[in-house]
Amino acid sequence: RKEVEQDPGPFNVPEGATVAFNCTYSNSASQSFFWYRQDCRKEPKLLMSVYSSGNEDGRFTAQLNRASQYISLLIRDSKLSDSATYLCVVTHSRGSGNTGKLIFGQGTTLQVKP
Amino acid sequence: NAGVTQTPKFQVLKTGQSMTLQCAQDMNHEYMSWYRQDPGMGLRLIHYSVGAGITDQGEVPNGYNVSRSTTEDFPLRLLSAAPSQTSVYFCASRTREKLFFGSGTQLSVL
Repeated sequence: RKEVEQDPGPFNVPEGATVAFNCTYSNSASQSFFWYRQDCRKEPKLLMSVYSSGNEDGRFTAQLNRASQYISLLIRDSKLSDSATYLCVVTHSRGSGNTGKLIFGQGTTLQVKP
Repeated sequence: NAGVTQTPKFQVLKTGQSMTLQCAQDMNHEYMSWYRQDPGMGLRLIHYSVGAGITDQGEVPNGYNVSRSTTEDFPLRLLSAAPSQTSVYFCASRTREKLFFGSGTQLSVL
């Protein structure tokens, strides 16, 4: 089983739709969680961190559920420019320490159509 | 600041050849890492470093060597390239909250 798993999609949605992605992680000691965005043939860039209480940045909302070991990303009012691959990232912890390694999910592809 | 500078952008090698992918950052980050990205696999960690003189293996270290003689530089060496190493490679440095990626190297091994 992969340490971080995402549904690869693709998710094809019309402009204006609301779309949600989930990501599950297997290591209950994981410390930090992030969503990255990657455009085709480009490097990933940080979209947002995910905090225990949930957080929002404009049309984007991230949630963390430690009990069920998943994080989610909600995109409201989808734009054409939201088309990209969204990568779930968790820090990898061993024992009581944080090794500093980040583990990526395989990414979820979103295609927003006119 | 230039951020993370990664070279070359493209490279074609023959099986058995060696090469070094260069990575430099000017943000004084202690943590640097190398990832490879293959279709359907996401980014997989090859090697990482938490400071000058310290390196450690990631998820897929076989066939790759690294060194960290300075805070700024973290080169990745392929000693004897194999077709299985055809991939897109990303170097990254990080703060506690954020990874900064280089623009990537598309490597093909024939």
